[in-house]
Amino acid sequence: EAQVTQNPRYLITVTGKKLTVTCSQNMNHEYMSWYRQDPGLGLRQIYYSMNVEVTDKGDVPEGYKVSRKEKRNFPLILESPSPNQTSLYFCASGREASYNSPLHFGNGTRLTVT
Amino acid sequence: QKEVEQNSGPLSVPEGAIASLNCTYSDRGSQSFFWYRQYSGKSPELIMFIYSNGDKEDGRFTAQLNKASQYVSLLIRDSQPSDSATYLCAVNGPGQSGGSNYKLTFGKGTLLTVNP
Repeated sequence: EAQVTQNPRYLITVTGKKLTVTCSQNMNHEYMSWYRQDPGLGLRQIYYSMNVEVTDKGDVPEGYKVSRKEKRNFPLILESPSPNQTSLYFCASGREASYNSPLHFGNGTRLTVT
Repeated sequence: QKEVEQNSGPLSVPEGAIASLNCTYSDRGSQSFFWYRQYSGKSPELIMFIYSNGDKEDGRFTAQLNKASQYVSLLIRDSQPSDSATYLCAVNGPGQSGGSNYKLTFGKGTLLTVNP
């Protein structure tokens, strides 16, 4: 089944404890992206990757890191999480980095930082 | 900075009626337009996309695009209670700088409630 898989689905952590949210897609998609969703603010892009080893900042990249060493994987790293990073996170992928390529979303990761 | 505006709702319609969801966008250079449905706590699910002016129909859904007015809409015919969800409008295309920008910019969504 074609899908974008995120792990974990739920995560509770404490301020400053490094964490990684994994994202993997099995559709051979070139384009991958991370979004966070907050009430009243909608979906905001954190980082995106147009292909292996090509990543760039989105609208809200502060406090996050990403890497794209393989086409299928695009982990999101929070080196020192803070409470304002409590949010619902979505990984998404698209067939190619083009305007006409819809995004397909993973099931989401609900992160709470205390 | 591209902006995508939607009425937050809630939009309430009776079962069987037509639901009309609207979206405006600020970047005249935008080229592709997407509608996603999101149930509470779930991930966005692609419903339709449209690239050219006019109407595009898919089952009970019709997307309408008017690039001159920078306006895109989604009509849902014969609305069902299972259509109750938040509908997200998303826009893609070159940024105002003229450079490539493959980012989908999302509106904040319209909450639709279909009453039995």
